[in-house]
Amino acid sequence: EVQLVQSGAEVKKPGESLKISCKGSGYSFNTYWIGWVRQMPGKGLEWMGIIYPDDSDIRYSPSVQGQVTISADKSINTAYLHWSSLKASDTAMYFCARADGIRSWFDPWGQGTLVTVSS
Amino acid sequence: NFMLTQPHSVSGSPGKTITISCTRSSGSIASNYVQWYQQRPGSSPTTLIFEDTHRPSGVPHRFSGSIDSSSNSASLTISGLKTEDEADYYCQSYDSSTLWVFGGGTKLTVL
Repeated sequence: EVQLVQSGAEVKKPGESLKISCKGSGYSFNTYWIGWVRQMPGKGLEWMGIIYPDDSDIRYSPSVQGQVTISADKSINTAYLHWSSLKASDTAMYFCARADGIRSWFDPWGQGTLVTVSS
Repeated sequence: NFMLTQPHSVSGSPGKTITISCTRSSGSIASNYVQWYQQRPGSSPTTLIFEDTHRPSGVPHRFSGSIDSSSNSASLTISGLKTEDEADYYCQSYDSSTLWVFGGGTKLTVL
């Protein structure tokens, strides 16, 4: 079974750093794209970026470029989303999802990681 | 850049048919594939339709997708409504600069 399992919920203070993870199993992790999608409280889905683990080709949405870093460690089938300095506005649910092409569809999705940033 | 506009909400009775539209603000709706995702409360999204009209295995035939170039929109039709269909529905397509674009989502209420 193809699965993406994300790391657990986080509560952080503004200015702190954070890296959340997304571990793939049941398929060849290197040869599928992994995307990240943000969902702010009560709001819709927003695409953040996507990475191809085999060569770390990364594309970012202009709305988050410079605010987050996407990476992957193909040796452990894991993709990451990293913030160096969190803001309260980063409070959201974050989903990772697999795609078989850079212009494809997301399937499956991870279970989501809730990030709460509050002083 | 373009936007995908969906109605905020739609409703229908069990057994009936509803349609959710997804209108592209600029450029042709037919120039890039459209996907549809379902997100039940408290759950991750799941794929209902990919490449305009195709259903992943396991998605019931009650769900169908279409494209209408005259209105520059895509549509998701759900027939034989069930209470379990109550969820948020999102369309998604591609843009040359921002790559992936999601619609704002539509809340379906099954009365």
